[in-house]
Amino acid sequence: NAGVTQTPKFQVLKTGQSMTLQCAQDMNHNSMYWYRQDPGMGLRLIYYSASEGTTDKGEVPNGYNVSRLNKREFSLRLESAAPSQTSVYFCASSEGRHNEQFFGPGTRLTVL
Amino acid sequence: DQQVKQNSPSLSVQEGRISILNCDYTNSMFDYFLWYKKYPAEGPTFLISISSIKDKNEDGRFTVFLNKSAKHLSLHIVPSQPGDSAVYFCAASALNTDKLIFGTGTRLQVFP
Repeated sequence: NAGVTQTPKFQVLKTGQSMTLQCAQDMNHNSMYWYRQDPGMGLRLIYYSASEGTTDKGEVPNGYNVSRLNKREFSLRLESAAPSQTSVYFCASSEGRHNEQFFGPGTRLTVL
Repeated sequence: DQQVKQNSPSLSVQEGRISILNCDYTNSMFDYFLWYKKYPAEGPTFLISISSIKDKNEDGRFTVFLNKSAKHLSLHIVPSQPGDSAVYFCAASALNTDKLIFGTGTRLQVFP
């Protein structure tokens, strides 16, 4: 089992460009999450999906959109990237409440 | 407002000694707490958890203590090993949600 996979691992964008971060899990988990990690800020939830077909905002959703394509895949889209979105992005999945979240290896994004 | 706080950004401990990492929270609706460990360039990995109905949970060298009246939890690592050197995040979830709120992390360094 690969667990949670994320692509790409690294990306450099110019301000205003768009891109989609891909995430897939092979553990048949219902819930999936997108976080960003910034120095001194810990991990902050951007969006999450409790089940296929549903998505909800987290702490810092502005500037992002998500799609739960199917049970396995949850993508994060930046429509018009800004330097403030420079961060490391982590995708995670879990069976649901009171179950540990499994994290992917992260995508390091730089917006110039 | 930071609902989960880790006030010590770093901690240095000698190999074989006890490491104590602390976490405070403000939201009385939190009922489940977790600790994650993160190595550089990797995603966080689950370490140990505790429900609010308990005050202690132990797993090998790792023990988590919960003091609900003080809204405080701590992670004890005994004995500490060089491989424990990593960033440790505490996280909490509230009733009726599987969202996690993370602290800002504590960098633990275990030296020989």
